[in-house]
Amino acid sequence: DAGVIQSPRHEVTEMGQEVTLRCKPISGHDYLFWYRQTMMRGLELLIYFNNNVPIDDSGMPEDRFSAKMPNASFSTLKIQPSEPRDSAVYFCASSFRQPTNEKLFFGSGTQLSVL
Amino acid sequence: GDSVTQMEGPVTLSEEAFLTINCTYTATGYPSLFWYVQYPGEGLQLLLKATKADDKGSNKGFEATYRKETTSFHLEKGSVQVSDSAVYFCALSADNQGGKLIFGQGTELSVKP
Repeated sequence: DAGVIQSPRHEVTEMGQEVTLRCKPISGHDYLFWYRQTMMRGLELLIYFNNNVPIDDSGMPEDRFSAKMPNASFSTLKIQPSEPRDSAVYFCASSFRQPTNEKLFFGSGTQLSVL
Repeated sequence: GDSVTQMEGPVTLSEEAFLTINCTYTATGYPSLFWYVQYPGEGLQLLLKATKADDKGSNKGFEATYRKETTSFHLEKGSVQVSDSAVYFCALSADNQGGKLIFGQGTELSVKP
């Protein structure tokens, strides 16, 4: 398996623009997580899905952020409009069953820079 | 709520030195505990885990013991290598959290030859 695939690897955009980050989880995994990593705040859980259904979005910073999972093999994280403080590395991760006992597999991340 | 606290980095060691990275947790339930490692430019990878008190997780020479009495899960390695340079994250996951994995801030380790 190719692992968790994220795109793009790098994204540079201007303030106010819409940004869409994409993730393809490992086939057969039923949990998908979106994390944001910054120097100041470390690794923050934004939202996670189970069987394509959002379970907990309490970590989503504000209404400018939205995430969807239309099917088991694809998820998007959208920021509209983007702001410079959204600059971070965004990771997608997936697992088979809950990560309480199972390994969480991470993608390589999307480095987002909002100018 | 549940949380994880790690020692601040960066930690700089010489090759073959002994490594300890401290991790303590706060949880209302009985969490599983993990150490994940992030190499430069990559996503996190599971290093080791322990699912109940007194369990010892080990992998690649690293080990950590689940200490319920001190709510700790310190990472240790007897002799570090340059290739161990990375950021190390302690994490917990509890059934009563619905499957979320909560991470500490991460500790950067730099090993010099």
